[in-house]
Amino acid sequence: ETGVTQSPTHLIKTRGQQVTLRCSSQSGHNTVSWYQQALGQGPQFIFQYYREEENGRGNFPPRFSGLQFPNYSSELNVNALELDDSALYLCASSPTRGRGTEAFFGQGTRLTVV
Amino acid sequence: ELKVEQNPLFLSMQEGKNYTIYCNYSTTSDRLYWYRQDPGKSLESLFVLLSNGAVKQEGRLMASLDTKARLSTLHITAAVHDLSATYFCAVDMSGTASKLTFGTGTRLQVTL
Repeated sequence: ETGVTQSPTHLIKTRGQQVTLRCSSQSGHNTVSWYQQALGQGPQFIFQYYREEENGRGNFPPRFSGLQFPNYSSELNVNALELDDSALYLCASSPTRGRGTEAFFGQGTRLTVV
Repeated sequence: ELKVEQNPLFLSMQEGKNYTIYCNYSTTSDRLYWYRQDPGKSLESLFVLLSNGAVKQEGRLMASLDTKARLSTLHITAAVHDLSATYFCAVDMSGTASKLTFGTGTRLQVTL
């Protein structure tokens, strides 16, 4: 186990709805990144949060937004859900600096949009 | 834009055989990671490669990094069924492992 926990593990939403996914980072890690993994593909970087601010974003529209809290936990919010948003959403935490820095992934949230 | 390509995309091999998975990337980086993913599961870290010429081994898996060729390899020795999974390489441009660009993945199936 990595110490990174995500909730919920599964959920089903209807197109047009909004969803919030949650991630609790590993102790001592102040950087959280979110990834979207569509079926049969590699994870795609959505964005990263460091010290409660967005610090880098991949090629995702503004309806994907996030938050990081003082305890370094994080949320991913997706508005106006589309069918293509169906995917496994992965959260990863890592420390800020240092050689050997490694990202540790949570178990993921499987989102199905119908 | 950084591109990371793996080949093959699918590999079926018999138990006891050896094979190599290749990971090519388009932009200079000296930080590369290998992950394993079982169906429906999250990513399990296998190797962290942080310099040119880095080589790491764990059991039947060995990973190497050639930053000049922008190439990493994952070598499988005497495959066993338990190694069946999808393997991803990921390149880190941030220096903090927080903005990874993943390869396409190689689905490995080890048959008896």
